[in-house]
Amino acid sequence: GAVVSQHPSWVICKSGTSVKIECRSLDFQATTMFWYRQFPKQSLMLMATSNEGSKATYEQGVEKDKFLINHASLTLSTLTVTSAHPEDSSFYICSPTSQNEQFFGPGTRLTVL
Amino acid sequence: QKEVEQDPGPLSVPEGAIVSLNCTYSNSAFQYFMWYRQYSRKGPELLMYTYSSGNKEDGRFTAQVDKSSKYISLFIRDSQPSDSATYLCAMSGRAAGNKLTFGGGTRVLVKP
Repeated sequence: GAVVSQHPSWVICKSGTSVKIECRSLDFQATTMFWYRQFPKQSLMLMATSNEGSKATYEQGVEKDKFLINHASLTLSTLTVTSAHPEDSSFYICSPTSQNEQFFGPGTRLTVL
Repeated sequence: QKEVEQDPGPLSVPEGAIVSLNCTYSNSAFQYFMWYRQYSRKGPELLMYTYSSGNKEDGRFTAQVDKSSKYISLFIRDSQPSDSATYLCAMSGRAAGNKLTFGGGTRVLVKP
């Protein structure tokens, strides 16, 4: 199966700082990247969709200036949480898609103090 | 009302029992249906993918789709303690490549 990595797997940061999460598709090229957020004991909620080289499309209620998505190549996408606050603490999961198959990364747990 | 409803559980069964999971949905545009397994603090793992009404079997897993009732099910036969996880249904209006709408997930505990 396809291999997807996320880095870091776990990060703790102070309120007001920015955190960058990387998502890499190691053995395939992802034409589309979905970013999800999952709060404890809740399901995955789509945050945004991006295509390589294009601006991301954000879901309603997700601040595009707070959650910066860069999909610069077919194997790398980044999500930057800017000026993080405790309410941004969550599990962030990327989902690269290739040839009508959708895969999920292992997730990044963000804790904002 | 959520687009996809799923009982959160927890669902506790003895080892070897059949686990029965289901989701209901309201959006008739959904045509593709998936079941994912998610272990604690891990990303979801695809178990089953169906796009037509009826049954699909893969090893110990059977997925059922009833589009007329907007109801999907997942059955796990001969359950094992390693099946203990959260199971998420997901659906989309097109094949993979389109965004997924997830159910809330059902936590399953298989007791040895």
